[in-house]
Amino acid sequence: TQTVSQSDAHVTVFEGDSVELRCNYSYGGSIYLSWYIQHHGRGLQFLLKYYSGNPVVQGVNGFEAEFSKSDSSFHLRKASVHWSDSAVYFCAVRVTGNTRKLIFGLGTTLQVQP
Amino acid sequence: DPKIIQKPKYLVAVTGSEKILICEQYLGHNAMYWYRQSAKKPLEFMFSYSYQKLMDNQTASSRFQPQSSKKNHLDLQITALKPDDSATYFCASSQDWGVQNTLYFGAGTRLSVL
Repeated sequence: TQTVSQSDAHVTVFEGDSVELRCNYSYGGSIYLSWYIQHHGRGLQFLLKYYSGNPVVQGVNGFEAEFSKSDSSFHLRKASVHWSDSAVYFCAVRVTGNTRKLIFGLGTTLQVQP
Repeated sequence: DPKIIQKPKYLVAVTGSEKILICEQYLGHNAMYWYRQSAKKPLEFMFSYSYQKLMDNQTASSRFQPQSSKKNHLDLQITALKPDDSATYFCASSQDWGVQNTLYFGAGTRLSVL
């Protein structure tokens, strides 16, 4: 069974701070990892993805994430957050095979204070 | 302009009734999906379609029936509604059924079953 764990339900930082949102997964095969952002009352929007190659991937709005096979992690980072980054962030895993389902974590609510 | 339109945005239904959730995408995508987001639970995959053909069904109950009348439509019919069906239902699409394809989500339909 594949699982995605986002250890922090809520993270609060100040504008201009750096932030790291943690994501760990359990699966031994080839996987596709992604992060999505959900602003209040909206659908999920794609931030970035990793499938192979450089373990550090760049996404939209200054976000990046680093894949670590040894740690089974795909943490999301941003060097300097803006108040508009306040949202819920979801990590997702898609396993290879006949299914295309994404398995999501419970999400981390990021609150950026002025 | 939203490229994935879900209607209605909010829906209230009585137990035992039947409702249809509408989804249309104008991204020219060939694959479409339904996900469900219930309170305190991760986003949950329900169905995937490719070129109007059902590819994957992870929904145990036959009360949930997707309907694809056109390539860019994937509606979701729910019969014999139960209070446990209360959730936000998200439609998504991707260019095709490839494993690396990015999913684009609609804003969701929030269903409340009384």
